[in-house]
Amino acid sequence: KAGVTQTPRYLIKTRGQQVTLSCSPISGHRSVSWYQQTPGQGLQFLFEYFSETQRNKGNFPGRFSGRQFSNSRSEMNVSTLELGDSALYLCASGEGGSSSYEQYFGPGTRLTVT
Amino acid sequence: KQEVTQIPAALSVPEGENLVLNCSFTDSAIYNLQWFRQDPGKGLTSLLLIQSSQREQTSGRLNASLDKSSGRSTLYIAASQPGDSATYLCAVRGGNYGQNFVFGPGTRLSVLP
Repeated sequence: KAGVTQTPRYLIKTRGQQVTLSCSPISGHRSVSWYQQTPGQGLQFLFEYFSETQRNKGNFPGRFSGRQFSNSRSEMNVSTLELGDSALYLCASGEGGSSSYEQYFGPGTRLTVT
Repeated sequence: KQEVTQIPAALSVPEGENLVLNCSFTDSAIYNLQWFRQDPGKGLTSLLLIQSSQREQTSGRLNASLDKSSGRSTLYIAASQPGDSATYLCAVRGGNYGQNFVFGPGTRLSVLP
């Protein structure tokens, strides 16, 4: 099976712009979670989608939003970018059922805000 | 609120040594615990997943244990190799279905040839 894919891999944006990141989970997986990783804060949970519904949300401002499509692919959007949004954004997929729920991560999207 | 810590923050060992990485969490009502490795600038690679009802898991040279009552997990790496150099992260997931993973800050491991 192909792994989790994320596009684009690298992105440079200017303050005030918005950005959309994409994540395609492992085939058959219905859960997608998003994380932000920065040197200062480490890995922090953004939100989780399961079967097109957001079922869990971290403590991030409303500028961060996401959605999941019927094929389980997910997008994350950040509006009005700030310098502090520069980070590695990782998505993870899982079966999402009540079983082991192991998470598999993609390679990440490196976002730089200037 | 769940908090996860990892000790040590960094570790440098000569090739061939056996080593132990530690992970502690404050809320013992976890669903499971997962160990990952991360190479610089890359995503996370899953190493081992331990369910709350399990005490340990093994994969090759890796062995992870879980003591839920004391809020601790250890990752044992046998016969370390330079290719094991990476940052190792542990993550715990809450006891309620759907809760997110909470990650520790990681242990940066360097295995010297």
